[in-house]
Amino acid sequence: NAGVTQTPKFRVLKTGQSMTLLCAQDMNHEYMYWYRQDPGMGLRLIHYSVGEGTTAKGEVPDGYNVSRLKKQNFLLGLESAAPSQTSVYFCASVDRARGTDTQYFGPGTRLTVL
Amino acid sequence: GQQVMQIPQYQHVQEGEDFTTYCNSSTTLSNIQWYKQRPGGHPVFLIQLVKSGEVKKQKRLTFQFGEAKKNSSLHITATQTTDVGTYFCAGRDGNQGGKLIFGQGTELSVKP
Repeated sequence: NAGVTQTPKFRVLKTGQSMTLLCAQDMNHEYMYWYRQDPGMGLRLIHYSVGEGTTAKGEVPDGYNVSRLKKQNFLLGLESAAPSQTSVYFCASVDRARGTDTQYFGPGTRLTVL
Repeated sequence: GQQVMQIPQYQHVQEGEDFTTYCNSSTTLSNIQWYKQRPGGHPVFLIQLVKSGEVKKQKRLTFQFGEAKKNSSLHITATQTTDVGTYFCAGRDGNQGGKLIFGQGTELSVKP
């Protein structure tokens, strides 16, 4: 099993450009999450999904959209990138169906917006 | 809203010294988790504590959950260079739909 994978690993955007980050998991987990990590601020939840076709806002959702068309994929979109969105983005999945709470993180996407 | 504060933000120790990081929540937690992130890596789950006053050990690491379920600590005995990284606590609030809130993390550096 590959676990949780993220593409791309690195990206540089210009202000106003758009892009989509892909998260894929092969563990059949129901719950998936998108976080951003900034120095000194820990991990902040952007959006999450509790199952295929469902999404919900997290702590810092503004400027981002998500979609969960397939159970194994969770997409994070930036419609018009801003320098404030320069960050490291982590995706995570959780197997809540087993009653556990462990978050399995992907390797991250390092995004720079100029 | 719920806040999870973690201190210290940075800790520099000599190899062999002990290390402790503390986590405090503004609300009562249903559980607390600890993660380790190596430099350039992603967070990796270490442990979850659920019961009031719970203490769990993993080799040189000791995790505690406070009696009021609002604070937690991670203690490393006799640090090694392999312990380098950032340690995060993450608390799940039992009163607000179970959202998981991460602390800011403690970055540990170990001098050989």
